[in-house]
Amino acid sequence: DAGVTQSPTHLIKTRGQQVTLRCSPKSGHDTVSWYQQALGQGPQFIFQYYEEEERQRGNFPDRFSGHQFPNYSSELNVNALLLGDSALYLCASSNGQGAGKTQYFGPGTRLLVL
Amino acid sequence: AQKVTQAQTEISVVEKEDVTLDCVYETRDTTYYLFWYKQPPSGELVFLIRRNSFDEQNEISGRYSWNFQKSTSSFNYTITASQVVDSAVYFCALRFNSGGSNYKLTFGKGTLLTVNP
Repeated sequence: DAGVTQSPTHLIKTRGQQVTLRCSPKSGHDTVSWYQQALGQGPQFIFQYYEEEERQRGNFPDRFSGHQFPNYSSELNVNALLLGDSALYLCASSNGQGAGKTQYFGPGTRLLVL
Repeated sequence: AQKVTQAQTEISVVEKEDVTLDCVYETRDTTYYLFWYKQPPSGELVFLIRRNSFDEQNEISGRYSWNFQKSTSSFNYTITASQVVDSAVYFCALRFNSGGSNYKLTFGKGTLLTVNP
């Protein structure tokens, strides 16, 4: 049973560039959430996708956008990168959106913006 | 607003010691869910346990136990006879169901546990 997978594992970009991160949910899961985790902090919610639509969004600017595909996989796009976007980006999947649904996390993508 | 506080930033113990990781939460909702996750150095968050607000029964799984007390808004995690493999950052998280579309997990800042041989 494959867990949540993310690619790439590491990424280095320069300020102003754009980046796309990818996530494949755990088998049988249809809901994907994205989190940003700065060094020494807890993960911060970016947004969640269900049925190919963004269902809820955290306190992140419009530079952060996403997409969910019919096979439930998802992408996170960040435009006009800032130094402060350097972080571990975590994808989590669940079987449905309900508050009681357990989210299972992938290994993350470490993004460094120079 | 919902909030999770993990007051212990770092804990260091020697192997075989017992250790308790504290978690205090704030929410105005009557229906909510609490979670613990473990994050080893590899970075992946590993799910440990979920509790709903109507189930105050404590949970024990081998060396690990969880104590949920609504009266003090706490959901503490105890590791008995700690081992080096328990070294990680541990996160407590809260999610509530207000009837609206709130789907995010709110995490505490985490507790770094180091178990020394």
